[in-house]
This record gives sequence, structure tokens and C-alpha cells, in this order.
Amino acid sequence: ETGVTQTPRHLVMGMTNKKSLKCEQHLGHNAMYWYKQSAKKPLELMFVYNFKEQTENNSVPSRFSPECPNSSHLFLHLHTLQPEDSALYLCASSQHLLANEQFFGPGTRLTVL
Amino acid sequence: EDKVVQSPLSLVVHEGDTVTLNCSYEVTNFRSLLWYKQEKKAPTFLFMLTSSGIEKKSGRLSSILDKKELFSILNITATQTGDSAVYLCAVEDRGSGNTGKLIFGQGTTLQVKP
Repeated sequence: ETGVTQTPRHLVMGMTNKKSLKCEQHLGHNAMYWYKQSAKKPLELMFVYNFKEQTENNSVPSRFSPECPNSSHLFLHLHTLQPEDSALYLCASSQHLLANEQFFGPGTRLTVL
Repeated sequence: EDKVVQSPLSLVVHEGDTVTLNCSYEVTNFRSLLWYKQEKKAPTFLFMLTSSGIEKKSGRLSSILDKKELFSILNITATQTGDSAVYLCAVEDRGSGNTGKLIFGQGTTLQVKP
């Protein structure tokens, strides 16, 4: 247990569906991150939030929409996804942006049909 | 373009062997290099390295950074089956605005056979 939880752990959705991924951290951290991990590819940073404010959008398509209502919660809203979006989506948090150690959640395995 | 390259991509050893995993990087504004172990889903933190030549050690694992040659190695001695995992190397690019951006390598998949 790293103190970062993600739900759901598995998600199967059609290309026309709308779904949301949820991440919660119980560590009192101020920075939160979304990563995408596809098969045989490095972890890709998607979004960074610091004190609820987005500080990084790594050229992510608009069909992925993040939301950070407070420093403990992070959402990733999904709509009209493509099959190539199927991947493991990992959430992480760190004490602050300059704190190197990021604590990762267990991830959501997403399959887009 | 910033990049992190790990080698080998996969490795199979027997219990008791010693392994060395490699990570080389090209990053514009290097701040630190991190090693993570990913067994099933969540990567777990192993080491953070910021200075050259200073070995970090935790049990049978150790790591060192060479900022001149732009690489790091992760050593695992007396390997056990529980060491089987994907080992990820990541480099923090300070960039502009201190975004804390981590750039990950592809990972090295280690399998330790009994």
C-alpha cells in the first residue's frame, strides 16, 4: 500500500461511452500526476497538478479531461476514446513538485472496444 | 529531445546471481535520476540519485550515478525470485517552471528462476 488508491481497477468501455477514473491520495501531498503505460512503451506523463492547479499538459488529446477538485483527489474523465487508448493509467502523488519521490497507485487497466 | 534508455530490455537469471541494470539519459535540465520497481501494477520507489559517484544502498540493491557519462547502474546481488519485476529508470527534467516532469525509460524486465 502506497497511500494512493485508484478506482476502478479495471474498465472496459466502448468508443462512445463516457467514464471517469478516480485517484485519491492519503499522504497529504500537494502534487498529483496522471501517467499512461502502454505495452512495451515507457511510462508517459499526461498531466501534473500542483495545489489543484494544472501545471503540465503533455500534449494529451482533449478526449482525456482531468479534474482536480482538491489536493487529495484527481479524476480523469474519458469520452469518445479510441482502441489505441487502451493502457494502464497510473496516478501518482508527491509532497510537492520539487519532491522527486512519486508514490504510485495500483493503476486502472482500461480497455477500449 | 529528452530521452532515457535502459538496457537490457529483459534478463533471465537464476537465484543467487548478481545482475547489473543500465540506464543512460539525455536530458536538458537534469535534476535527479530515480529507480522504481514495478511488480504488478504500481511502481515502488527504490532510489533517488542526484550526485555522481555516491552509491545508494538498500539491502542487496545498490545504485550509482555518473553525471559526466550520463548513466546510472542498478546492482542486485544474490538475486531471489522475489526480485522478478520490471525495473524502471526515470530522470527528472527540471525544464521551465519546475514542473517535476519525470521521463521514464522502457524498463528492464528481470526474471529470476529458482
